[in-house]
Amino acid sequence: DQQVKQNSPSLSVQEGRISILNCDYTNSMFDYFLWYKKYPAEGPTFLISISSIKDKNEDGRFTVFLNKSAKHLSLHIVPSQPGDSAVYFCAASANTGNQFYFGTGTSLTVIP
Amino acid sequence: DVKVTQSSRYLVKRTGEKVFLECVQDMDHENMFWYRQDPGLGLRLIYFSYDVKMKEKGDIPEGYSVSREKKERFSLILESASTNQTSMYLCASSNIRGTEFFGPGTRLTVL
Repeated sequence: DQQVKQNSPSLSVQEGRISILNCDYTNSMFDYFLWYKKYPAEGPTFLISISSIKDKNEDGRFTVFLNKSAKHLSLHIVPSQPGDSAVYFCAASANTGNQFYFGTGTSLTVIP
Repeated sequence: DVKVTQSSRYLVKRTGEKVFLECVQDMDHENMFWYRQDPGLGLRLIYFSYDVKMKEKGDIPEGYSVSREKKERFSLILESASTNQTSMYLCASSNIRGTEFFGPGTRLTVL
């Protein structure tokens, strides 16, 4: 059973506009969340994280929002750039273990 | 910078062959992981290890085994490769509950 879900397999956005990638989870024990970016034929690279004690974390053009009551997090990229075109994975872990659970990914295309 | 390296970027094997995928990390991380990535399925955990000689099954361990004889090295073994094991294999390492850092991946094709 998929504990972390990314319901949009793909997303297209115009350059300069905001990209919003969504992620839902089912396990209420999850308290630490990551976003990764993956280019074809490369390993995922860490982008940004958030722990459950916060509801927002910002790093340059990337902001992650966490809504614990809705078990939902989102990644905002603004302004979007063509180099942001990649697959984005969200991941979650619980304080009871070392394992991260990954979503199925959202492929973002930023159109110049 | 954390560095996770994988022995091969591309590998082609025949059905029934034994396949070894090697992963090395240089940051003294306790945890190491093997995933496979398939279109529409995201990253699925095969095995992980939280200490030398320790291993835990992930979500899809069938058809795979692992070995961790040294802290920095985590090997994934396909005892008898099958065509449904054609995939991108990703190794990662982390400190306890830390961010996982990934290697570049190995694209394995089983003919």
